[in-house]
Amino acid sequence: AQRVTQPEKLLSVFKGAPVELKCNYSYSGSPELFWYVQYSRQRLQLLLRHISRESIKGFTADLNKGETSFHLKKPFAQEEDSAMYYCALKGTGGFKTIFGAGTRLFVKA
Amino acid sequence: DAGVIQSPRHEVTEMGQEVTLRCKPISGHNSLFWYRQTMMRGLELLIYFNNNVPIDDSGMPEDRFSAKMPNASFSTLKIQPSEPRDSAVYFCASSSTSTGTYEQYFGPGTRLTVT
Repeated sequence: AQRVTQPEKLLSVFKGAPVELKCNYSYSGSPELFWYVQYSRQRLQLLLRHISRESIKGFTADLNKGETSFHLKKPFAQEEDSAMYYCALKGTGGFKTIFGAGTRLFVKA
Repeated sequence: DAGVIQSPRHEVTEMGQEVTLRCKPISGHNSLFWYRQTMMRGLELLIYFNNNVPIDDSGMPEDRFSAKMPNASFSTLKIQPSEPRDSAVYFCASSSTSTGTYEQYFGPGTRLTVT
């Protein structure tokens, strides 16, 4: 069965500190992984996808198939990074996307 | 494009009443998703449509919930009768399978409160 686990509901860091939001998945095939972000009073929106291997707003995420993880990282957190982050998985075939429970990141000044 | 449009933005109703949530996807998108967001369970997929056809409704909690997509530009999620545990934010999202990116575009959500 498809499953996405985000073990931390809340993560609080100081501005300038490194941040890592954890995501582990369960899927027997080759998944596509995404990170979505929801800033205060804004819509949920795509942050990045593993296929693109891109860095968006300083965030990167590497798919580790051995550990079935897709952790989101940023070397120096900024206050504007404070938001709700969701890890999501789409399996091969079909369009069903499963989201994790989300992690609220709070960056303190 | 105004993006995905949802109405109403807020709904307060009494237990036992029928609730209808509405969604207009982005023009040209052929997949539509309904999600429920709660503090305890995060973002849960309820049902999704492809080309107006329901593909997977395994996330619909029970028979009180139903969803329709009569055409490419409109979908409804209905709860009848509503219960306090249905209180949540309901999101609609759409995507286009032709791009191959599977990015979903979310609406602003409907905050439902059942008293």
